[in-house]
Amino acid sequence: AQSVTQLGSHVSVSEGALVLLRCNYSSSVPPYLFWYVQYPNQGLQLLLKYTSAATLVKGINGFEAEFKKSETSFHLTKPSAHMSDAAEYFCAVKGGGADGLTFGKGTHLIIQP
Amino acid sequence: EAGVTQFPSHSVIEKGQTVTLRCDPISGHDNLYWYRRVMGKEIKFLLHFVKESKQDESGMPNNRFLAERTGGTYSTLKVQPAELEDSGVYFCASSRRLAGFSHNEQFFGPGTRLTVL
Repeated sequence: AQSVTQLGSHVSVSEGALVLLRCNYSSSVPPYLFWYVQYPNQGLQLLLKYTSAATLVKGINGFEAEFKKSETSFHLTKPSAHMSDAAEYFCAVKGGGADGLTFGKGTHLIIQP
Repeated sequence: EAGVTQFPSHSVIEKGQTVTLRCDPISGHDNLYWYRRVMGKEIKFLLHFVKESKQDESGMPNNRFLAERTGGTYSTLKVQPAELEDSGVYFCASSRRLAGFSHNEQFFGPGTRLTVL
C-alpha cells in the first residue's frame, strides 16, 4: 500500500524567503509523484510531477522538487516566496497499478508580509 | 478549453436524504475520477471511470454511494441515504487516456462541499 506524509499542516514564511514543504512517501514500486496546489474556491492545480526522468523537477510559478529515493522524499521548494503563493499544497503518489492518486493531508502555506 | 466543472458547489441536506453530485469532465477526457476529502483528513480516491465503464471502484465507502457515467460524458455520484460521516468535499478529476501512460495529469474540478446535518 502507498502512503504520503506531509510534515506540518501549516507552514509560515516571510515574503521573499525560501519555501520548503516536506513530503515523504511509501511505495512498493517506483512511484510517480506529484505536487498540487489549491487556491481558495478553486480546484487542485498541478505544480509539477516526477515520472522517473530527471530527479530535479521544475514546475510552474518557480517551484521545483527533488526526488530522493534513498530518503523516500519529494520536497517542494521555491527560492523566494510571493504573497500569491499562499494556498494549500498537496503531495500525491501514484503507482503499483492503483488507478487513483494517494494524497498527503496537505500543507497550508502562509506568507507573512 | 473549459475545465472540469462540478455542480452544485455546496449542498446541505439532512441525514437520510438523497443527494446527487454532478461532474462534467474536460471534453475528450476518457478518464474520470471521484475523490473525497473529509474535514481534517487527506483527499481519498473513490473510483475511476474509463469512458462509461467503472475501471476501479475500490475506494467507494459502501453501497450507499452510486456512481454513473452515462454515455461516457458527465458523471453523477449519488448518496442515498446520506449519513453524517458523508460530509466533506467531493472532487472530480479527468485526464486523457494515452496508451502506455498511467501518469497523465489529472485536472481537478473545484469540488462540491456536502454537509449532512
